[in-house]
Formats: sequence, C-alpha cells, structure tokens
Amino acid sequence: GAVVSQHPSWVICKSGTSVKIECRSLDFQATTMFWYRQFPKKSLMLMATSNEGSKATYEQGVEKDKFLINHASLTLSTLTVTSAHPEDSSFYICSTSVSTDTQYFGPGTRLTVL
Amino acid sequence: AQTVTQSQPEMSVQEAETVTLSCTYDTSESNYYLFWYKQPPSRQMILVIRQEAYKQQNATENRFSVNFQKAAKSFSLKISDSQLGDTAMYFCAFMIGGAGGTSYGKLTFGQGTILTVHP
Repeated sequence: GAVVSQHPSWVICKSGTSVKIECRSLDFQATTMFWYRQFPKKSLMLMATSNEGSKATYEQGVEKDKFLINHASLTLSTLTVTSAHPEDSSFYICSTSVSTDTQYFGPGTRLTVL
Repeated sequence: AQTVTQSQPEMSVQEAETVTLSCTYDTSESNYYLFWYKQPPSRQMILVIRQEAYKQQNATENRFSVNFQKAAKSFSLKISDSQLGDTAMYFCAFMIGGAGGTSYGKLTFGQGTILTVHP
C-alpha cells in the first residue's frame, strides 16, 4: 500500500503558541488529503479535506482560523494549530486518497498543549 | 447523510478462536464501499478488508472475512484463528463511491470496537 508519513510524531507546546504538523505521501502524488482528530479510545473525526492548490474544505464545527491547512504540493499537506490551548490536545491523523475508494493513513501526531 | 454504528464497545477472545465484530450502516446511496480498519496500540490505522457494495461475494483476506448483508445494511467482520497481534481497536467505515462531489473520498467511521485477544 501507499506510504504516508507525519512529522512530528509527538509535540508538546505551551498554551498560546502555534504548532505545524506535516503530512507527506512518500511514493505517490496525492491530490487529496484528509485530516482527522481522535480522542483516546474514540473514533476518528474528519476535520477537513485538503486539496492540492486550493483552499481546504472544513467540516461543520471545525474552526478554520484555528486549524489552518495548506496543501502546496502533491506530496505535502500541513495542519497548523494556531494559538493552541489545552483543549486542542489530541491525536491528529492525516490520510491520502490514492484512488476513489481507498485511503492510506499516516502514523499520527500526538499534540499536548500545556 | 451516512451513519455507521458499531454496537460492541469491547470484545475479547481467546487465542486461536473465532470472533465476529458487528457493524450496521445507513445510507440512501447505491454505490458505496465498506471497510474495516484496525488500529493497534501504535495507533497506526491499517486497512483490514474492503467490500464494494455492488459485489455480492463477501470479501476475504486470509483470516479475515466479512458477512455483507446489503438489504439489512449489515457488514460484520469475522476473525478466524485469532492471534495476539489482532489485539486492536477495529473501525467499520463507509465511503460513497464515484468521483466528484463534496463527499468524494470521505470516510465515515463507526464508534470502534476494542478487541482483546487473550493467550
């Protein structure tokens, strides 16, 4: 299957700072990437769909100004959590759509906001 | 809108035995895909098996098989000869088929079932 990487795997930051998470497709070009948020022992919640060269599409209830998504190339999408607060602490996962019916997931990023 | 329901929050099974995880879904679409994903303690999401709705034959992948009942909108996962490495959280997921549209490529997940395999 396709290989997707995320960096960093774990980040700790102070409240009020911004954190950038990178999602890379290593062996294919991804025109579409998805960003999810997951709380412990809970399901994945889709935050936004990232399309290369255009603005991301956010799901209802997701703050666009807090979770900035940029998909500048066919192999890289970034999620920036701006002015992070403890309630933003979570596990963030990206995935890519290789075809219309299969997604491959990155290993996830654990964000802890102190 | 699509919904996916997994009614078993937790399951346990002895090593080498068989276990079945339940999943039901609701949709008005006729073209769609169903998936089972596994999330072990590492939290890496791993595709276990996929099923195209237009195919009547149940998908199988080695020890993993599904029972796809389209009319009942049911999509259960059977794990045979359970192994310790099968311990994970399992998610049933739904995707609308076809290209284009606002739902293109989006997955809708169930709540998940935590499966523990005991030695």
